[in-house]
Amino acid sequence: DTAVSQTPKYLVTQMGNDKSIKCEQNLGHDTMYWYKQDSKKFLKIMFSYNNKELIINETVPNRFSPKSPDKAHLNLHINSLELGDSAVYFCASSQAWDRVGPGPQHFGDGTRLSIL
Amino acid sequence: DAKTTQPPSMDCAEGRAANLPCNHSTISGNEYVYWYRQIHSQGPQYIIHGLKNNETNEMASLIITEDRKSSTLILPHATLRDTAVYYCIVRVSTGGGADGLTFGKGTHLIIQP
Repeated sequence: DTAVSQTPKYLVTQMGNDKSIKCEQNLGHDTMYWYKQDSKKFLKIMFSYNNKELIINETVPNRFSPKSPDKAHLNLHINSLELGDSAVYFCASSQAWDRVGPGPQHFGDGTRLSIL
Repeated sequence: DAKTTQPPSMDCAEGRAANLPCNHSTISGNEYVYWYRQIHSQGPQYIIHGLKNNETNEMASLIITEDRKSSTLILPHATLRDTAVYYCIVRVSTGGGADGLTFGKGTHLIIQP
């Protein structure tokens, strides 16, 4: 029973297309995130949603639009795909607090996006 | 968030304890220390976190110095499956816990058979 699941695992598409990546978590967490890991392996936060409300929107082109239909789902839609969008995209979720401090984030296995 | 410094790579023999250091000399009183790892081709995996007390869970132990300027992640009996990039992250909560994590370059830990 996967905690944070992303689909698809691999996505190969042409430049200029529009695509979506879906994310679902069954942990009952209130907050969900999207991260991007580029070819140099740096992981960067893109968005975070708390109870379906956008909290963080880092400097990301507006071709990227997250959508949260409910707090268990956070999808990422990308318009007019460019070569530079090739990367691995990770979804994560967390609860606000635990015994020690801010709740740790739990990640999915990633979606590998390749733009031809 | 405070900057962290980690060695780029480390080796450890299988079955031995792996001790991964992290320097966070500019940490503030309300910042927490988190450790994650990323095994090749997988998503980052949470390991442990702490504020000032040492912490232990089923995966590892976290030792934070008294001045909180550095910490050590200990994997007590390393196995080949522990080969991964380990990230030490310092984060302050904005209150809602919805802040993003800032990943550095981490330490590439290689467990030798």
